Amino acid sequence: AQSVTQLGSHVSVSEGALVLLRCNYSSSVPPYLFWYVQYPNQGLQLLLKYTTGATLVKGINGFEAEFKKSETSFHLTKPSAHMSDAAEYFCAVRDSSASKIIFGSGTRLSIRP
Amino acid sequence: DGGITQSPKYLFRKEGQNVTLSCEQNLNHDAMYWYRQDPGQGLRLIYYSQIVNDFQKGDIAEGYSVSREKKESFPLTVTSAQKNPTAFYLCASTRQGGSSNQPQHFGDGTRLSIL
Repeated sequence: AQSVTQLGSHVSVSEGALVLLRCNYSSSVPPYLFWYVQYPNQGLQLLLKYTTGATLVKGINGFEAEFKKSETSFHLTKPSAHMSDAAEYFCAVRDSSASKIIFGSGTRLSIRP
Repeated sequence: DGGITQSPKYLFRKEGQNVTLSCEQNLNHDAMYWYRQDPGQGLRLIYYSQIVNDFQKGDIAEGYSVSREKKESFPLTVTSAQKNPTAFYLCASTRQGGSSNQPQHFGDGTRLSIL
């Protein structure tokens, strides 16, 4: 069965610093992977997705993620954090039956001035 | 613009009362989903529906019910059997068929509280 593990429930970085949010997945089939962002009292918004092809995926708001099959990872990065990046971030994998998406427990990103 | 509309944004329930949360989408998506989100936790799947007039239980279906009479609508009823209904409820939809790389699109949520 598919699953995702997000390492670190809370990450804090300084404004302008590198953002790294970690996600490891478990999948018995080639995975379809997603990163979502959630701002307070709002729904989830898709940041980026990996399906097939290029392993470095670029998303919105300057975020990108690299699919590493050998490490079963799909970490999210951004070179320079902005105050507006403060939010909850969720990694997700499409279920093998393709009927559901399985979400990680989320990582709350805080940005220090 | 197409999207998912959840209403109301805030909802209050009295003890022993059923309440229904609305979810409407105009994206022409086949599949729709209901999630529950508690503070500091991820999303837990309540129910989902892949086609009209059909739905399946998710991980935490007890105390909830749904219907899917129209493609664009997937209302969720929180029954009195749900003993701890206070949470943030999110509705989502996705296109089915073909490849399975379609992401889910989300509404802005309904926050349910107990009076």
